[in-house]
Formats: sequence, structure tokens, C-alpha cells
Amino acid sequence: EAGVTQFPSHSVIEKGQTVTLRCDPISGHDNLYWYRRVMGKEIKFLLHFVKESKQDESGMPNNRFLAERTGGTYSTLKVQPAELEDSGVYFCASRDTGNTEAFFGQGTRLTVV
Amino acid sequence: AQTVTQSQPEMSVQEAETVTLSCTYDTSESNYYLFWYKQPPSRQMILVIRQEAYKQQNATENRFSVNFQKAAKSFSLKISDSQLGDTAMYFCAFMSPGGGTSYGKLTFGQGTILTVHP
Repeated sequence: EAGVTQFPSHSVIEKGQTVTLRCDPISGHDNLYWYRRVMGKEIKFLLHFVKESKQDESGMPNNRFLAERTGGTYSTLKVQPAELEDSGVYFCASRDTGNTEAFFGQGTRLTVV
Repeated sequence: AQTVTQSQPEMSVQEAETVTLSCTYDTSESNYYLFWYKQPPSRQMILVIRQEAYKQQNATENRFSVNFQKAAKSFSLKISDSQLGDTAMYFCAFMSPGGGTSYGKLTFGQGTILTVHP
């Protein structure tokens, strides 16, 4: 069974540009989460999808971040325009409803220069 | 809001020895879940061990065990017979099981880098 996959693994962009991160959850997992770890700090929650609906987006830092989950399958997280402080590792996780274990992707390391 | 604190930024241990990683948390809830996740240098986080707060018995998974002290809000991870493959960043995490929008959301500690030396 395929795990959670994220694309790209690394991205280096200039300030002001747009970047789109993608997450493919484990098939059948209704719950999808995005987290972010800024250098040297703890991993922080960004948002939670249940199927295609945003259940909780309380962790989204500002309106430069837009997350979507088309048809309740894969999810994208777009940053537009990117700022220097957006640099960090973005993790995606999926979870089967009724199970407490979340499965993580390998993360996307975003560097804004 | 819940908080999770890992006070040891880095730890090291000799192969085959035992090491304990510390984690404390703060919550007003009585029922919740606690986790230890491991992130090896390849970066994919994997679940090491899970504890349900209403269970008094400490969870164990092979060489990994926890010391869960609910009153003290402490959740330490003990790794016995350390192996080179245990070298990784370890994250302690809290999850509220209650209904509502926060279910399944993990609150993480800052992480502890563990290095196992041959």
C-alpha cells in the first residue's frame, strides 16, 4: 500500500513568486492535515480536511496560503506571493476516520530567497 | 490550548544502551492521546508508540516503552538496547479525542535529536 506522498521534495523560489505543494494521502483516508516546521521551531498545524471540506483552518498563517482538496483525494497548498518567513518544511498527513494514527509524507522543504 | 514541551534538544547514547527522552504537556482535558513520532534523516515521520490517557498501563512496543504520569503531565520515551537505526529526531505529540473541529489535530513538541553512537 502506498503511503502519503508529497511533491516536490524540495523547492527554492524567489520572494514574491508562487509555489504549489501537493499531497497524495493514503487511499481511503478521509482526513488530511497540513503542518509546517519553520527552522528550529516546533511543527505547527495549518489545516485539516475531511474529504473535500475544510474542517479546521485555524493554523493558516494568512491569506497568502490557499489549500484545496479536489474531490476529497489529493490536496494542494499554494503560497502566493511567497515571503522569506514561509521557508520551512511542509508536512502532509492522512488519517483514517476511527483510527488515531496519522501517516506522514516525507515533507516538502520550501526555501524562499 | 494544549502545549507540549521537550526540554532536551539533543541526546546521545551508545549502541546497546538505554536512553530516555522527556516530554511534558499541558491540557485541561481528562481524555486524550499521546504519541511519540520518529523522523529519521530521510524525513518521513513514523509513529513509534501511542498512549491513551484513560489507560493506566504504560504502552510498550518492542524496545520502546513509555512512562506516562498523568497527574504530572509527563510522557517520557525509553529506548532500550539502542540501535544505530534509532538515530533520528523524536517528536512528542498530543491529540484531543473530543468531537469537533480539533479532532485528530496534533500538537507537537520541539523535538529531540537522538544520536546513537557505535
